[in-house]
Amino acid sequence: DQQVKQNSPSLSVQEGRISILNCDYTNSMFDYFLWYKKYPAEGPTFLISISSIKDKNEDGRFTVFLNKSAKHLSLHIVPSQPGDSAVYFCAAQTGNQFYFGTGTSLTVIP
Amino acid sequence: DTAVSQTPKYLVTQMGNDKSIKCEQNLGHDTMYWYKQDSKKFLKIMFSYNNKELIINETVPNRFSPKSPDKAHLNLHINSLELGDSAVYFCASSQAGVIYEQYFGPGTRLTVT
Repeated sequence: DQQVKQNSPSLSVQEGRISILNCDYTNSMFDYFLWYKKYPAEGPTFLISISSIKDKNEDGRFTVFLNKSAKHLSLHIVPSQPGDSAVYFCAAQTGNQFYFGTGTSLTVIP
Repeated sequence: DTAVSQTPKYLVTQMGNDKSIKCEQNLGHDTMYWYKQDSKKFLKIMFSYNNKELIINETVPNRFSPKSPDKAHLNLHINSLELGDSAVYFCASSQAGVIYEQYFGPGTRLTVT
C-alpha cells in the first residue's frame, strides 16, 4: 500500500536552473507533507514541510507546492547548486502514521 | 555532538542469530522511531515510541522489539534473524506530537547471510 509515490527515480539539472521534484499521494487524510534530503551513508535530513491547509511554503531556494485536488505536491529548487545533489524523499503524515516515497536522485551538473 | 546516533553502522550476521542495534538522541525529544529501508529504497516506519505509548506497524514481525531504557535511547532487538531482514535501519526522533519533523540517525546496514 504505497500511499506516497515518487515516479521519477532520477533527475539531472544544470547548475543555476530550476529543479522540480514531484510526488503523488493517495490518502486525502494526510495532515502534513514533507521533503527530506539524503546524502549517501547518512540519514534523511528534514528540508521543508507544508500543512494540508496551505498550497505553498517557501524557504530560501526551496518551495513546496501542494495541489490537494490532484493529490500532488512538488519541490522547486531555484537556483540549483551542485551541493543539492542528493536523494529527495517526499513524506506524508496523518495521526501517528508516516509514509515515505521511494526517493528521487537529483544530480546538479556544474 | 551528533543529534541522533546509531551503533553499529554495519552489522553482518548469520541467519538465526539475535542482534541489537542501539540508538541515542541528545535533542531532548520525547518520541523515537525505527524505520526499515529495503532493497527498493522504500522507507517504512516500524515503530514509534514515547514514554506513554508504543505504536507498532502491524506488518512488523514480532521477532522485532524496541527497548527503551530511558527517553534518550530506543534500541532495536531482532530475534531469529532471516535473510529478508537485510536492510538499512534508521532511528529517528521528534518532539511529541510533532511527528512531521523527525531527525534521523545515519542508519545501520544489516546483512544477514
